[in-house]
Amino acid sequence: SYVLTQPASVSVAPGQTARVTCGGDNIGTKSVHWYQQKPGQAPVLVVYADSDRPSGIPERFSGSNSGNKATLLISRVEAGDEADYFCQVWDTSLDHVVFGGGTKVTVL
Amino acid sequence: QVQLQESGPGLVKPSQTLSLTCAVSGDSIVGGRYYWIWVRQPAGKGLEWIGRVESSGTTYSNPSLKSRVTISLDRSKNQFSLTLDSVIAADTAVYYCARTQRWLPIDSWGQGTLVTVSS
Repeated sequence: SYVLTQPASVSVAPGQTARVTCGGDNIGTKSVHWYQQKPGQAPVLVVYADSDRPSGIPERFSGSNSGNKATLLISRVEAGDEADYFCQVWDTSLDHVVFGGGTKVTVL
Repeated sequence: QVQLQESGPGLVKPSQTLSLTCAVSGDSIVGGRYYWIWVRQPAGKGLEWIGRVESSGTTYSNPSLKSRVTISLDRSKNQFSLTLDSVIAADTAVYYCARTQRWLPIDSWGQGTLVTVSS
């Protein structure tokens, strides 16, 4: 099955840019979606189709996808951005949803 | 706006069957192109896709759980269900129901329900 690899944690100072990566074999050929999850809450979609934002998501959240890596960028990080972030794609070979292991973003 | 709400026992004994229901409002579970899915998350861990049921009633489950999982639609109640047989402690998790389409993101989630497997 298709495997997505994320770093376990990323730390960033307020006002700086957080970079969360999601690695996968030729992931650049897939559509990548990103979710934010805060403790005790369901995931919330923050970026879809590599780089689009749902309504209500700040422009500070952006994404890119090329080659074997997709990236979620959080610019001008705020304390409220501290959360777990998961990438997700559709595995065409097994025809189902696949999640990355998640990255905990800590705001210093 | 679609809303999903999970319900079911919060405690299940080992070797027994876990049964959960997801009530859907704001959308019909039949006749559309949506997939109605179950996802679970053990405490402190990542998300695991369990399986889906399509509007047609076709189901597909994670191969790692396939033999224990049943997902079904209840068209009359506009809800879908999950059963997981022969549960073990490792099945303890928050279980989410959600909606998606092939290739597209999961656009709606239930709030999640904690199921603990313990005697």
